[in-house]
Amino acid sequence: AQTVTQSQPEMSVQEAETVTLSCTYDTSESDYYLFWYKQPPSRQMILVIRQEAYKQQNATENRFSVNFQKAAKSFSLKISDSQLGDAAMYFCAYRRLETSGSRLTFGEGTQLTVNP
Amino acid sequence: GAVVSQHPSWVICKSGTSVKIECRSLDFQATTMFWYRQFPKQSLMLMATSNEGSKATYEQGVEKDKFLINHASLTLSTLTVTSAHPEDSSFYICSAESGPQETQYFGPGTRLLVL
Repeated sequence: AQTVTQSQPEMSVQEAETVTLSCTYDTSESDYYLFWYKQPPSRQMILVIRQEAYKQQNATENRFSVNFQKAAKSFSLKISDSQLGDAAMYFCAYRRLETSGSRLTFGEGTQLTVNP
Repeated sequence: GAVVSQHPSWVICKSGTSVKIECRSLDFQATTMFWYRQFPKQSLMLMATSNEGSKATYEQGVEKDKFLINHASLTLSTLTVTSAHPEDSSFYICSAESGPQETQYFGPGTRLLVL
């Protein structure tokens, strides 16, 4: 079974600084997807970034980028120029490459605080 | 991104009653919908996966007779908590995808409080 581990229950960053959230996963598959989702206090899950395992290039979305190390099974999220609105719970998630109905396996989450 | 709605956003009910939660994909057809449960400060726990027109697949430990899931159309799935008890109080979230390799989009969640 696949597992996703986020070893940092809490992180904090100063506004405008950069922070990196860690995520490791375990799988025997060679093709899969990885995601970072953000859950602010409203509890709405918001997709931050998505990475296909077959792509060597790290995904980026504006201030958000990932460091995908397939051999190490590591998928960290870097947030640059942190903003107060980035404060949220961040979940790393894994998904198999299946024909239908593939579930997301979530990590335990990292609570990010952004200090003004 | 795609929009998924849930209704109601929160509900309070008496113990022993049933509660129905709706999940709708507003701007795409959802071949598969997922139902999650989340306790405070914890991760999401998958309860079941539903495909349009077929029976839901429940995760181990989830009572299918208690949590009834119906996915009658490509834009609507419902979760009914039958004979609710206080321990069923939680935050329930649905997600939907338009295809097997598409991103899952989440609804805003439903807070259920059973008195």
